[in-house]
Amino acid sequence: GDSVTQMEGPVTLSEEAFLTINCTYTATGYPSLFWYVQYPGEGLQLLLKATKADDKGSNKGFEATYRKETTSFHLEKGSVQVSDSAVYFCALTPQVSGLTGGGNKLTFGTGTQLKVEL
Amino acid sequence: ETGVTQSPTHLIKTRGQQVTLRCSSQSGHNTVSWYQQALGQGPQFIFQYYREEENGRGNFPPRFSGLQFPNYSSELNVNALELDDSALYLCASSQGGSSYNEQFFGPGTRLTVL
Repeated sequence: GDSVTQMEGPVTLSEEAFLTINCTYTATGYPSLFWYVQYPGEGLQLLLKATKADDKGSNKGFEATYRKETTSFHLEKGSVQVSDSAVYFCALTPQVSGLTGGGNKLTFGTGTQLKVEL
Repeated sequence: ETGVTQSPTHLIKTRGQQVTLRCSSQSGHNTVSWYQQALGQGPQFIFQYYREEENGRGNFPPRFSGLQFPNYSSELNVNALELDDSALYLCASSQGGSSYNEQFFGPGTRLTVL
């Protein structure tokens, strides 16, 4: 079945440091790929997504590129802030045709906790 | 526009009991999905409801069941609670169940089974 593997945390960085969180996936064909963020005590928020190979998703200074050849979707940010401290989840939905039930069923990685310090 | 809401926020039950969790979908959404997030883990898909019918199910036993109502709100029922059912239960709504339909998540219900 489909699966997502992401680097274990916690990741601790100083403010303005460069961030990379690795994510690789196993799935048939061309799934859609996502990064979600979960702040303490809150639900999941969509951070960015990419729906086809070589697409780059970006939002709030975060970027990730859909790499089919390496089945990866690594999250990057050039300069992190204390407010970026949260848990980040990589996820996918399967490639399905038409209006299929459960077509937007998300398969998540285990999450990576990011702590940014002053 | 009202987002996805869930109730209750927290719940404590004992082993063997039954529990019902509730979710109100975002305005205009007809599809609700439920996920279980154990501590330190990513969310796991339980099932999805589309226009009051179950529309996909993950690897969860039959004691996990659900309902969707005509107003598209939903309930998750868990019978014969086990200690391992302790988790954050997330509800997400969308405008359909296809891969093009973004899911919007509620804040979750924290269930503790003693």
